[in-house]
Amino acid sequence: DTGVSQDPRHKITKRGQNVTFRCDPISEHNRLYWYRQTLGQGPEFLTYFQNEAQLEKSRLLSDRFSAERPKGSFSTLEIQRTEQGDSAMYLCASSRTSGTSGTEQYFGPGTRLTVT
Amino acid sequence: AQKITQTQPGMFVQEKEAVTLDCTYDTSDQSYGLFWYKQPSSGEMIFLIYQGSYDEQNATEGRYSLNFQKARKSANLVISASQLGDSAMYFCAMREVNFNKFYFGSGTKLNVKP
Repeated sequence: DTGVSQDPRHKITKRGQNVTFRCDPISEHNRLYWYRQTLGQGPEFLTYFQNEAQLEKSRLLSDRFSAERPKGSFSTLEIQRTEQGDSAMYLCASSRTSGTSGTEQYFGPGTRLTVT
Repeated sequence: AQKITQTQPGMFVQEKEAVTLDCTYDTSDQSYGLFWYKQPSSGEMIFLIYQGSYDEQNATEGRYSLNFQKARKSANLVISASQLGDSAMYFCAMREVNFNKFYFGSGTKLNVKP
């Protein structure tokens, strides 16, 4: 078990460019979450997958954002036509399926996006 | 309404003393889970402790304990015998069983003084 990994760790891009981030969850985890965290705030939920199905999307996720998890393993988050307000840490987390509330999420190290 | 409220933006504690970080939550669900995470300056989120809504005993994990008061909808984190390495941001989070997303508070920055 190597934990959740994210790539890249840092990304600097110019406004208007597209960026794509990758998340590799813990191998036996079938749930995968994306969050956005701005300085001094807690993570804000963006979207959630169970296996390859995207089951929920936040209203924060504008049309410029899209996420995929094509084979139920790794996931990608793409931001099109980036804006300065997209500058944030993008966190990925994974967890096992549980019928109870008690399955904690394991977080990756995050991708820090800076839009100039 | 905020699902998770952490009212202490920053806290100071003397090394070796105990500290309580406050968390209140808002839900109409009967089944939910409460979590605390630590985020050091390096940025990774580290799971600390979990409390289920039906658990009658307060959760404990080493120096961490969760003071769960269901009627008051509070889930305070108690850190005993603080260490310098405990200096970090601490986030309270909730998961409702009927929904599959976690709600996080705005965090409390804890500084442990030598």
